[in-house]
Amino acid sequence: AQSVTQLDSQVPVFEEAPVELRCNYSSSVSVYLFWYVQYPNQGLQLLLKYLSGSTLVKGINGFEAEFNKSQTSFHLRKPSVHISDTAEYFCASGTGRRALTFGSGTRLQVQP
Amino acid sequence: DTEVTQTPKHLVMGMTNKKSLKCEQHMGHRAMYWYKQKAKKPPELMFVYSYEKLSINESVPSRFSPECPNSSLLNLHLHALQPEDSALYLCASSQDRGGRRDTQYFGPGTRLTVL
Repeated sequence: AQSVTQLDSQVPVFEEAPVELRCNYSSSVSVYLFWYVQYPNQGLQLLLKYLSGSTLVKGINGFEAEFNKSQTSFHLRKPSVHISDTAEYFCASGTGRRALTFGSGTRLQVQP
Repeated sequence: DTEVTQTPKHLVMGMTNKKSLKCEQHMGHRAMYWYKQKAKKPPELMFVYSYEKLSINESVPSRFSPECPNSSLLNLHLHALQPEDSALYLCASSQDRGGRRDTQYFGPGTRLTVL
């Protein structure tokens, strides 16, 4: 069975500081990983995805993530955050059932 | 264009009402999904349609009835709901290229309140 673990429920950070949101996965088969962002009272927006190829994946809004097979991780990073990045971030893994396995989410709180 | 639209944005209904949620996509996707999301929780899968046929029903109570009239439209019919059914209902779609690789695109959701 696949599972996704987001290690931090909340991450407070000051504006213009770098941030890393952690995600670990467990899977016995090939992994396909996604990061979604959810702004208050909105749906989920795809930030980036890893399907194959380069382990460093660049997404929208200046975010990037690195797939690390040996550490079973897919951490999300941004070198300088803005107030507008305040949101809930979900890491997810594709399953074989046309479904996504979501992590529990990380609340990024950017403070001025 | 990666847009999935949902109507209405907000819905308040009594426990005896019948209402429907609508979802539409024009990306040529062949899989469509309904999720339920409670506050501060990740989305929970309810139903999956693949090529207009119900593929997955995650043991959802019968007061929720999905319908896929065509490949672009997905409805969720609601009847005799309970207050605990209040949540954000999200629709998503994907190309349906074979499971794990598929990228799902989400709509903005319908905020449902059951009184």
